[in-house]
Amino acid sequence: QQQVKQSPQSLIVQKGGISIINCAYENTAFDYFPWYQQFPGKGPALLIAIRPDVSEKKEGRFTISFNKSAKQFSLHIMDSQPGDSATYFCAAGTGGGADGLTFGKGTHLIIQP
Amino acid sequence: ETGVTQTPRHLVMGMTNKKSLKCEQHLGHNAMYWYKQSAKKPLELMFVYNFKEQTENNSVPSRFSPECPNSSHLFLHLHTLQPEDSALYLCASSRGGGTRDTGELFFGEGSRLTVL
Repeated sequence: QQQVKQSPQSLIVQKGGISIINCAYENTAFDYFPWYQQFPGKGPALLIAIRPDVSEKKEGRFTISFNKSAKQFSLHIMDSQPGDSATYFCAAGTGGGADGLTFGKGTHLIIQP
Repeated sequence: ETGVTQTPRHLVMGMTNKKSLKCEQHLGHNAMYWYKQSAKKPLELMFVYNFKEQTENNSVPSRFSPECPNSSHLFLHLHTLQPEDSALYLCASSRGGGTRDTGELFFGEGSRLTVL
């Protein structure tokens, strides 16, 4: 099963709040979990990524939490800002390469000022 | 500017037309991709080229025909499309080359295709 399930489909958060997006996978061979951010009219861009040897990775206000036993990973955006309003995609892949990525359906995040 | 340029940005075509989408990357990458993005669906990988050789074709209908003349250019030739093919077509590149690939995709801004 190659599917990556992402939720919620859309999310509204107040400025300064914490945005949380969740993803779940079935394929235990997945060993690379990136998150992509897409603004309207632009292509997706890599935001942050994690490999299963760690349970958490933080870059600025963005944190990935990874639970290998539950086969779940999530993106947390701390102190959410209106400029974070975008669509976020989780993905999973094997071997660390880019050509085997399976993407989630995306989460449309709106940060209200 | 991601270093991946797609043209045209918008395309309207009839079902009997033949058109092409073009992608150029200025990053020195060895792998290039075509993805289809439809509303409320996951990004769908269509084709992968590594060092100009097609390495993946995800059961894409033959009305979509890719061409990769060199590592910097990628085309998607379109003919006798269906209205359900209307979508955003994204080109991407990555460093490629197996273990040297960092796993990061660099996307262009996409070509919005409408099939009437």
